[in-house]
Amino acid sequence: EAGVAQSPRYKIIEKRQSVAFWCNPISGHATLYWYQQILGQGPKLLIQFQNNGVVDDSQLPKDRFSAERLKGVDSTLKIQPAKLEDSAVYLCASSFWGNYGYTFGSGTRLTVV
Amino acid sequence: SQQGEEDPQALSIQEGENATMNCSYKTSINNLQWYRQNSGRGLVHLILIRSNEREKHSGRLRVTLDTSKKSSSLLITASRAADTASYFCATDEGDFGNEKLTFGTGTRLTIIP
Repeated sequence: EAGVAQSPRYKIIEKRQSVAFWCNPISGHATLYWYQQILGQGPKLLIQFQNNGVVDDSQLPKDRFSAERLKGVDSTLKIQPAKLEDSAVYLCASSFWGNYGYTFGSGTRLTVV
Repeated sequence: SQQGEEDPQALSIQEGENATMNCSYKTSINNLQWYRQNSGRGLVHLILIRSNEREKHSGRLRVTLDTSKKSSSLLITASRAADTASYFCATDEGDFGNEKLTFGTGTRLTIIP
């Protein structure tokens, strides 16, 4: 089966600019996650979708981050405006119904200068 | 927030030796998973152990889980240079349909040829 697709692979932007990341999960996976991984740390969950509904967005900085999952398939994560501390790898993952292991995409490496 | 704390933070061993990494967590879990990450790339799922299991094997990997101590260990036997990577434990918690995966801080493993 095809893996979790993410784009772009890399992105460099200036602070205060906006950026969007895209994720296409494995077909049939109901649950989709966005994680932020700062260099040297473990991934931190930003938002979790079950189909097209939000299950958990408690750690999403809602003043600047937004995410949507239209039609319960693809998802986009947006940052507007970006700050220097947003520099990180943004990982998308999907799972069939939790509890069975998760498949991660290759991530988008964001550098804010 | 990080659920798991991993120990050691970094480990260097000779090729052929065994590598052991430990993970401690704080809350009740559905299962615990181990992932590998090479040089900031995507996470690769290695093994999953359910909360009612105590030990699990997969190839050169052996995972133990002690829910009374809220701890787990990952043993890699007969290490190879290709095992050089960061290893993360992740706890799956939450009710059915609302599971989420929370990562630890990671262990950086270096295999010396």
